[in-house]
Amino acid sequence: AQKVTQAQTEISVVEKEDVTLDCVYETRDTTYYLFWYKQPPSGELVFLIRRNSFDEQNEISGRYSWNFQKSTSSFNFTITASQVVDSAVYFCALRRNSGNTPLVFGKGTRLSVIA
Amino acid sequence: GAGVSQTPSNKVTEKGKYVELRCDPISGHTALYWYRQSLGQGPEFLIYFQGTGAADDSGLPNDRFFAVRPEGSVSTLKIQRTERGDSAVYLCASSLTRATNSPLHFGNGTRLTVT
Repeated sequence: AQKVTQAQTEISVVEKEDVTLDCVYETRDTTYYLFWYKQPPSGELVFLIRRNSFDEQNEISGRYSWNFQKSTSSFNFTITASQVVDSAVYFCALRRNSGNTPLVFGKGTRLSVIA
Repeated sequence: GAGVSQTPSNKVTEKGKYVELRCDPISGHTALYWYRQSLGQGPEFLIYFQGTGAADDSGLPNDRFFAVRPEGSVSTLKIQRTERGDSAVYLCASSLTRATNSPLHFGNGTRLTVT
């Protein structure tokens, strides 16, 4: 069974602080994909990043960075120098790399960035 | 280009009524997904189409729920004899291919309220 756990339900930070959103996953598969999505107040889920289970290189995109550690089944997301516009619910998701399998989401972390 | 379009954006119906929710995917996307999101939860998978056929409908909660995609583009999610527990945001997503690494692009959702 596939499972994604986002233990942090809500996080509140002051603008310009760095913040890390945790994601831990469970799967018996050796190959899979991990994703992060952002859901701003408007409601639309916005794709942020995809990571192949074979690629453990960390990735940086502007103020966003992702730390994938297969040994601990974690795929954490860090926002550097947070801004008010980063306020949203962030979802981590997992998909098996076989067959017609759906994307399985965690429950999300609500991030509030205060000016 | 146009994203995934869902109509209506809001639907209020009485318990026991029938509702249809429409999804217009991104042009050229062959895979289409329906998810349901309850308050404070992550999206939960309902059904997935590859072309006109339902490749995986394992997430449909019961036989009151049905979805079609007759021409491989627009999809309609149909709910019979609605119950208050069906109240949620129904999200539609499409992806360019059925490949498991193909990111899903979501619409803004239809907020269904059953009174």
